[in-house]
Amino acid sequence: NAGVTQTPKFQVLKTGQSMTLQCAQDMNHEYMSWYRQDPGMGLRLIHYSVGAGITDQGEVPNGYNVSRSTTEDFPLRLLSAAPSQTSVYFCASRRSDTPLGEQYFGPGTRLTVT
Amino acid sequence: AQTVTQSQPEMSVQEAETVTLSCTYDTSESDYYLFWYKQPPSRQMILVIRQEAYKQQNATENRFSVNFQKAAKSFSLKISDSQLGDAAMYFCAYFREYGNKLVFGAGTILRVKS
Repeated sequence: NAGVTQTPKFQVLKTGQSMTLQCAQDMNHEYMSWYRQDPGMGLRLIHYSVGAGITDQGEVPNGYNVSRSTTEDFPLRLLSAAPSQTSVYFCASRRSDTPLGEQYFGPGTRLTVT
Repeated sequence: AQTVTQSQPEMSVQEAETVTLSCTYDTSESDYYLFWYKQPPSRQMILVIRQEAYKQQNATENRFSVNFQKAAKSFSLKISDSQLGDAAMYFCAYFREYGNKLVFGAGTILRVKS
C-alpha cells in the first residue's frame, strides 16, 4: 500500500490564481480530511468527507472547495489564492469502523502564495 | 468547542534522560480519544500513542507513556531513555467522531542533546 499520497509537494502561486491539491489513498478508507498547518496553531480542519459524494465543512473552509467522486480521491481546490492561504496542507484518511479514530496522514504540500 | 492547550512551546532533554510534555484539553463530552503525534523535520505526521477516554489505564508504547487524568482534563506524554531520533515537534490532539475532527494543540518542539 502506498498509503495516503499528496501532489504536489511544493507549490508557489500568485494571488488570484487557482489550483487543485491532489490527495489519494489506497486503503479503501471511507473518511478523508484536509487540514492546514500554520506556525503556532497546530493543524486545523478545512473540509472532510465521510464517503463518496458526501462532504462537509470543517473549521476553516472559506476559500476552499472539495469534492469526492471516488473513495480513493479527495482533491482540494483553491478558488482564488490569497497570501493568507500560505500554509502546509495535509490530507488524512481513516476507516469508518475503527474505534480509535486513528488517521493516516499524507506527506503534506507546502503552498506559498505571493 | 473543544480546545487543546500545550503550554510548553519548546523543551530540551539530554540523551537517555526522561522528559514530559504537557497537554490539557477542554470538552463537555464523556467519550473521546486523545493522541500524541510526532512531526519530524520531514513533515510527516506520525502517531506516537493514543488513549480512549473511557479507559482508566494509561497507554504505553515502548518508551512512550501517557499520564491521563480525565477529571483534570490532562494528557501528558512521557518519553523515557530519550534518543536523538525523538527530536521533533509533538502535537497533542483530541478526537471526536462527529465531524471527523482532530483538534490539535499548537505543538511542543522537543530538542534532544547528545
